[in-house]
Amino acid sequence: DAGVIQSPRHEVTEMGQEVTLRCKPISGHNSLFWYRQTMMRGLELLIYFNNNVPIDDSGMPEDRFSAKMPNASFSTLKIQPSEPRDSAVYFCASSPMSGLTYNEQFFGPGTRLTVL
Amino acid sequence: DAKTTQPPSMDCAEGRAANLPCNHSTISGNEYVYWYRQIHSQGPQYIIHGLKNNETNEMASLIITEDRKSSTLILPHATLRDTAVYYCSPYNAGGTSYGKLTFGQGTILTVHP
Repeated sequence: DAGVIQSPRHEVTEMGQEVTLRCKPISGHNSLFWYRQTMMRGLELLIYFNNNVPIDDSGMPEDRFSAKMPNASFSTLKIQPSEPRDSAVYFCASSPMSGLTYNEQFFGPGTRLTVL
Repeated sequence: DAKTTQPPSMDCAEGRAANLPCNHSTISGNEYVYWYRQIHSQGPQYIIHGLKNNETNEMASLIITEDRKSSTLILPHATLRDTAVYYCSPYNAGGTSYGKLTFGQGTILTVHP
């Protein structure tokens, strides 16, 4: 398996533009997580899905952020409009969640977003 | 959910054991302890997890105190490639935060020759 795939790997955009980050989880995994990492705030969970359904979106910073998972093999994180403070590395992770006690998450390589 | 405290940084000589502590004094009975590490510019990588018994796998050992208020991750023979940020996180298998890991600031482990 290729692991979790994220695209693009790097994104540079101007303030006010819409940004869409994409994630393909590992085949067979039924949980998907979106994280944001900055120097100031560390690694923060934004939202996660179980069987394509959003379970907890309490980490989504504001209405400018939205995430979807239309099927088991694809998810998007959209920022509209983007702001300079959104600059960060965004990670996607997936997990087989085989039973409540097991939560090994497999992380993708991340998307480095720069908003000018 | 339990809060965790880790030292901000540690050093270790190559070939020696690295012992990374984590304090989780408010952990509840059904919360596991998960350890991940993040090598520079990469996504975090799962290492090991445990509930109350000591655990060992091909990467590391996890020692959890009897009162479960703290744990220690042991890398038995550290190599330069083990230089990374190490995170411990509580995981509540049955609570409202099901599925949710919490990554604090972690410990920066530097392995030197």
